[in-house]
Amino acid sequence: EAGVAQSPRYKIIEKRQSVAFWCNPISGHATLYWYQQILGQGPKLLIQFQNNGVVDDSQLPKDRFSAERLKGVDSTLKIQPAKLEDSAVYLCASSLTSGSAYQETQYFGPGTRLLVL
Amino acid sequence: DAKTTQPTSMDCAEGRAANLPCNHSTISGNEYVYWYRQIHSQGPQYIIHGLKNNETNEMASLIITEDRKSSTLILPHATLRDTAVYYCIVRVVETSGSRLTFGEGTQLTVNP
Repeated sequence: EAGVAQSPRYKIIEKRQSVAFWCNPISGHATLYWYQQILGQGPKLLIQFQNNGVVDDSQLPKDRFSAERLKGVDSTLKIQPAKLEDSAVYLCASSLTSGSAYQETQYFGPGTRLLVL
Repeated sequence: DAKTTQPTSMDCAEGRAANLPCNHSTISGNEYVYWYRQIHSQGPQYIIHGLKNNETNEMASLIITEDRKSSTLILPHATLRDTAVYYCIVRVVETSGSRLTFGEGTQLTVNP
């Protein structure tokens, strides 16, 4: 079974530029998550989709971050304009929403490492 | 979600059991204990979870105290590949897809 795919793996941009990250979840997984992980910290949830609808975006800085999952499969996370403090690893995860959250496991991709100069 | 407290770092000799503690003294009755780990430059990986009974799978064992205020993840025979950051998370699972709130975890280093 293929895992969660993310691209690019690394990105270096200057502040005030824009950047986009792509995620392809595990086939059949209805729920998709984007996390931000700053160096030395645990991942922090930015946004959660179920199919193509947003379930939780309470921690997404909406003035500069946006995300979409138009067809309920792939997702894109965008930052515009980027700030120095956005330097982090952006992780995508997916889970099979079976109706029993107890059984639900989140599977993570390798992440995209962003450096803002 | 309830907060957890874990040691910042631990060391273990290869082949020995690694016992990673977690304190979750404010855990609620509907919150489960989850463990994930993150190997350097990879995304987090699910290990195990439980409510109040001890659990075991092919990766590890989870021991939860009777009052549920603390738990221990046990890797029975640690290998060098088990070197990672281990996260203990408590999570409400009444709603499908409820968030995982990660702390800073425990850096486990397995030494040859």
